[in-house]
Amino acid sequence: RKEVEQDPGPFNVPEGATVAFNCTYSNSASQSFFWYRQDCRKEPKLLMSVYSSGNEDGRFTAQLNRASQYISLLIRDSKLSDSATYLCVVTGTGTASKLTFGTGTRLQVTL
Amino acid sequence: NAGVTQTPKFQVLKTGQSMTLQCAQDMNHEYMSWYRQDPGMGLRLIHYSVGAGITDQGEVPNGYNVSRSTTEDFPLRLLSAAPSQTSVYFCASSRQGEGLWTEAFFGQGTRLTVV
Repeated sequence: RKEVEQDPGPFNVPEGATVAFNCTYSNSASQSFFWYRQDCRKEPKLLMSVYSSGNEDGRFTAQLNRASQYISLLIRDSKLSDSATYLCVVTGTGTASKLTFGTGTRLQVTL
Repeated sequence: NAGVTQTPKFQVLKTGQSMTLQCAQDMNHEYMSWYRQDPGMGLRLIHYSVGAGITDQGEVPNGYNVSRSTTEDFPLRLLSAAPSQTSVYFCASSRQGEGLWTEAFFGQGTRLTVV
């Protein structure tokens, strides 16, 4: 089983729609979680961190479900500019742990 | 504010040649890592380092070497380039806050073609 798994998509949604992605992780001891956005052929950039209590940033909401070992990203009122690949990132515990990326979920927002 | 600087941005190599991809960060981050990304695929970890003098293998280390003699620099060496190493390479760095890794910052990537 992969350490971090995402549905690759693509998710094709009309402008204004609400869309949600999930990301599952295998290590129950994982400590930090993030969502990144990657535009075509560019470097990934942090979209938001995911906190235990859930967090919201404008149209974006991130949730963590430790019991079921997944994180989610909800995008409301999708814009054309939201079209990108969304990567989830999970880190382990301790100073020797590494950042593990999912393969990404591609979102295409259309008119 | 440089952040993470990767060089070169583009490179074409012949099979069997060696080269070093450079990565430098000026944020005093303990954690640095190299990933490769192939078309339609996610980021795959090649090697990573949690501090100067410490390196470890990731998911796809074969054919690559790294060293971390300083906190700032984390070069990736291709020993004998093969067409299968044609890819986009990203370097990233992060720091620990209260024992947890925080946001990772990426370089702009190196597009490598091996012919």
